[in-house]
Amino acid sequence: ETGVTQTPRHLVMGMTNKKSLKCEQHLGHNAMYWYKQSAKKPLELMFVYNFKEQTENNSVPSRFSPECPNSSHLFLHLHTLQPEDSALYLCASSQINRDRDYGYTFGSGTRLTVV
Amino acid sequence: DQQVKQNSPSLSVQEGRISILNCDYTNSMFDYFLWYKKYPAEGPTFLISISSIKDKNEDGRFTVFLNKSAKHLSLHIVPSQPGDSAVYFCAASATNYGQNFVFGPGTRLSVLP
Repeated sequence: ETGVTQTPRHLVMGMTNKKSLKCEQHLGHNAMYWYKQSAKKPLELMFVYNFKEQTENNSVPSRFSPECPNSSHLFLHLHTLQPEDSALYLCASSQINRDRDYGYTFGSGTRLTVV
Repeated sequence: DQQVKQNSPSLSVQEGRISILNCDYTNSMFDYFLWYKKYPAEGPTFLISISSIKDKNEDGRFTVFLNKSAKHLSLHIVPSQPGDSAVYFCAASATNYGQNFVFGPGTRLSVLP
């Protein structure tokens, strides 16, 4: 088991739909992330939640809305998406402290197709 | 402008031989580097890391070399196995706090039996 669980694995949605991606981490980490991987592009950091507070959003369009109700759960709410938003959305978690970084653990991702 | 580059989109190696995956970066503030491996339909898996105080880190068949003056790092896999076939991502950060990692575009490694 990966320790970071993402649901659903696949999602097809219309441009007028509203949907949410869910991420849950079972590792006791204190930071969670949303990444986007488009075809033939590097992984793009979308959002960072450190101790439940959002610390980075990297100018992501407002049609993507993150929510972090606690340190174990992370959501990405989607509305009025565009076909170019079709991509693999990866959730990750890590443990951050002053002394060292324990590296990222990624979920398996949600393959999103916007039609 | 990509701060982390992996100029070879793909690499094929014979089983048992050495695989060398390269990564170049432009930001001289980067001081912590990671390699990830990704299989299809799975999330990236952490492989090995190196901080800028070292020039080499070894873990089993995997060795990462860092050349700070050239802003270059490489991942060596010896001996290569068919199960190593995957996409390998290089990532760099200016801190070791785990935030703001910048990922390269990845190199697809195929290890041929």
